[in-house]
Amino acid sequence: DTGVSQDPRHKITKRGQNVTFRCDPISEHNRLYWYRQTLGQGPEFLTYFQNEAQLEKSRLLSDRFSAERPKGSFSTLEIQRTEQGDSAMYLCASSLGQDIMGYTFGSGTRLTVV
Amino acid sequence: KQEVTQIPAALSVPEGENLVLNCSFTDSAIYNLQWFRQDPGKGLTSLLLIQSSQREQTSGRLNASLDKSSGRSTLYIAASQPGDSATYLCAVGFRVTGGGNKLTFGTGTQLKVEL
Repeated sequence: DTGVSQDPRHKITKRGQNVTFRCDPISEHNRLYWYRQTLGQGPEFLTYFQNEAQLEKSRLLSDRFSAERPKGSFSTLEIQRTEQGDSAMYLCASSLGQDIMGYTFGSGTRLTVV
Repeated sequence: KQEVTQIPAALSVPEGENLVLNCSFTDSAIYNLQWFRQDPGKGLTSLLLIQSSQREQTSGRLNASLDKSSGRSTLYIAASQPGDSATYLCAVGFRVTGGGNKLTFGTGTQLKVEL
């Protein structure tokens, strides 16, 4: 297991289209997080899963955004009816147990809405 | 609402210099604090994690300190190298539902180490 994997690395989409991103965490990690990072800013929390349960969602996650983690393994983040303001880097991270070792982040998916 | 500030926003130093990056936060009831490195267009690499009960952590040429009462952390980089050039992000963690750790990030310090 080489770490947290995200797919695709880059996505260009037209405004109004739907997009879906995938995150594969480190296999033994039970917690999975999604963050969004815009240019020149630090990442902002979007949502968090413990196993398959989505336990926390940010107000940034509008009703156009939905995240799932079926069977507590990989996770998907879907954005419906994309807007130009959705253009950002979407980062996934995973952690284990009491977070003694902290987060491990993936390389991110860069979304550009044109 | 937790706010995290990093100073300076950008820093350029000659190779070999020792340097200090600063991070301050407004709510001292943190669970932990983590320093990350981010290269342009890439994800985040964890450098050091300090639990709320700890005062400092060291890894190689890096040393991070934490003063919860004053809401401050510093990242010390010894003998800087051109390969250290990157953006350094400070993130404070809070416990959330189910025992997770929600991070609030600063906007980063962009470091350039010149030959």
